[in-house]
Amino acid sequence: EAAVTQSPRSKVAVTGGKVTLSCHQTNNHDYMYWYRQDTGHGLRLIHYSYVADSTEKGDIPDGYKASRPSQENFSLILELASLSQTAVYFCASSENRGGDTQYFGPGTRLLVL
Amino acid sequence: GEQVEQRPPHLSVREGDSAVITCTYTDPNSYYFFWYKQEPGASLQLLMKVFSSTEINEGQGFTVLLNKKDKRLSLNLTAAHPGDSAAYFCAVSAGTQVVGQLTFGSGTRLQVYA
Repeated sequence: EAAVTQSPRSKVAVTGGKVTLSCHQTNNHDYMYWYRQDTGHGLRLIHYSYVADSTEKGDIPDGYKASRPSQENFSLILELASLSQTAVYFCASSENRGGDTQYFGPGTRLLVL
Repeated sequence: GEQVEQRPPHLSVREGDSAVITCTYTDPNSYYFFWYKQEPGASLQLLMKVFSSTEINEGQGFTVLLNKKDKRLSLNLTAAHPGDSAAYFCAVSAGTQVVGQLTFGSGTRLQVYA
């Protein structure tokens, strides 16, 4: 049974619109992450969180907000979607910091037109 | 910050041949290393997690080598088969980094043909 789920799995958005991507984990992990993957590239960290009601910026936070209302849920918000935000977005969770393995969700394919 | 370079970006091998993917990293404090496999349209699946204290790690049909002196990590798929066709990513976690932040390589697209 999938431990990290994401919704929606794909989305088409218009430039300037608001987009919310959701992530839910049943791993009972404290840490959650949002990454983006561009075609032919690796993953880059956008935001992460290690406790409910708190989020931290990753390497590429500009244009994104995050929300962690509970241990299980972590959302990524694009207030004003832009063409450059077309990508696949992955959520992940890990038990702790440092070298703990991160477990990834199935990804959300976002196309901004 | 940490930089990870992964080579080659594309690799095509015949079934039964070996395939070698290499990552070099910059932070000498890096301690945890990961290899993920991503099949087309799918998420990342962990292949192996390597600690800096172990140089050779063997999995099911593959070997991971870590050379801390050269800051190099390699994945060697022995006797590749079509089911190995996928994208492979290395990821590095440094002890000096905040949280469990991973720095990913850009990936290697492996094609195994019969």
